[in-house]
Amino acid sequence: EVQLLESGGGLVQPGGSLRLSCTASGFTFSSYAMSWVRQAPGKGLEWVSAISGSGGSTYYADSVKGRFTTSRDNSKNTLYLQMNSLRAEDTAIYYCAKDPSHTSSWFADYWGQGTLVTVSS
Amino acid sequence: DIQMTQSPSSVSASVGDSVTITCRASQTIYTYLHWYQLKSGKAPQLLIYAASRLQSGVPSRFSGSGSGTDFTLTISSLQPEDFATYYCQQSYSPPFTFGPGTKVDI
Repeated sequence: EVQLLESGGGLVQPGGSLRLSCTASGFTFSSYAMSWVRQAPGKGLEWVSAISGSGGSTYYADSVKGRFTTSRDNSKNTLYLQMNSLRAEDTAIYYCAKDPSHTSSWFADYWGQGTLVTVSS
Repeated sequence: DIQMTQSPSSVSASVGDSVTITCRASQTIYTYLHWYQLKSGKAPQLLIYAASRLQSGVPSRFSGSGSGTDFTLTISSLQPEDFATYYCQQSYSPPFTFGPGTKVDI
């Protein structure tokens, strides 16, 4: 059974940093691209970032480019999102999600339950 | 970047009704279009991928169609558990943008 468990969310001040983790199980982690998607309070889904199975390719939304970094440790079956220079508008539930294909289709068939990030002073 | 729009933004319907949601891309995305359902407090669920392919385990009352720039999601015979918000997403080119969502309520 595919399981994705996010952690690392919490309250952080504007300008601060936070690192989210997503621990995966139930599939061969290194074979699949992974994504981060967020939902701000009362808002819709916003695609944040994606990374290929090898970690060699990464993509970012314009809203986070230069501030967020996605990486993965395939030996630990873990996906990361390093968030720097956080802003109030980054407040959201952050989901990690698994690509359905070995060939990086860049959408998601399984999602974690999400972790809440609140940026506030 | 490819912009995604959805219409309507919300729709009121009753159990047993048929509902159609439209998603439009700002440029051709062929069939790199996927639909998700989001319920409050739950993780998103993939319903339709590649514009018209039903994800495993999803009831057959959900169907998708379209190609190029215009796509539709149809829910035939709405069930109580279908009241939720629906999003389209393009995976043709990064950033892999979502539409703004369509809320289906009673």
